[in-house]
Amino acid sequence: AQSVTQLGSHVSVSEGALVLLRCNYSSSVPPYLFWYVQYPNQGLQLLLKYTSAATLVKGINGFEAEFKKSETSFHLTKPSAHMSDAAEYFCAVSGAGSYQLTFGKGTKLSVIP
Amino acid sequence: NAGVTQTPKFQVLKTGQSMTLQCAQDMNHNSMYWYRQDPGMGLRLIYYSASEGTTDKGEVPNGYNVSRLNKREFSLRLESAAPSQTSVYFCASTLAGLNNEQFFGPGTRLTVL
Repeated sequence: AQSVTQLGSHVSVSEGALVLLRCNYSSSVPPYLFWYVQYPNQGLQLLLKYTSAATLVKGINGFEAEFKKSETSFHLTKPSAHMSDAAEYFCAVSGAGSYQLTFGKGTKLSVIP
Repeated sequence: NAGVTQTPKFQVLKTGQSMTLQCAQDMNHNSMYWYRQDPGMGLRLIYYSASEGTTDKGEVPNGYNVSRLNKREFSLRLESAAPSQTSVYFCASTLAGLNNEQFFGPGTRLTVL
């Protein structure tokens, strides 16, 4: 069984500030981990994924995430927020042999000019 | 490639009416999924089809039925719509066995009055 906890349903940052969105997971098998982004009135788009290769994963739009097995975490970061980063972000976990993704409840990111 | 397409984009129903949401993918994926998205709840799996000819219940299947018409198409049916089924519905697909990355459609916004 897998589960995901995203800390903070809303996060606000100033333009140019660091973005940090937190995700903790539990999984009974080695996990695959994903971050998706959803812009208003759109579907979900993959930002990045961890599939047991490098623990630091780089994604689109300058985002990256680090897999930390000891902390069961997969936090999403971006060094400098841009207004266009305002969106909702979802962390998800799956495992080898599973057909399903389990999603967190999402974190809405606001960027303040 | 169109990716994952969904029809309709918007729908308003009265309580008790029925309707079918259509989903198609052109990526030769073998697994397909239906989710609903409600504020603060993240994405919850309704039904999925691991491969053509199979369907399985997800987290919230009550009030829904599905049909995997062929490898490309996976429809979701509401036999007797209820206001609690007001939601945004997303279809997704994946090439199962390849880290389970899912590709999402643009969604259907359904309102049941």
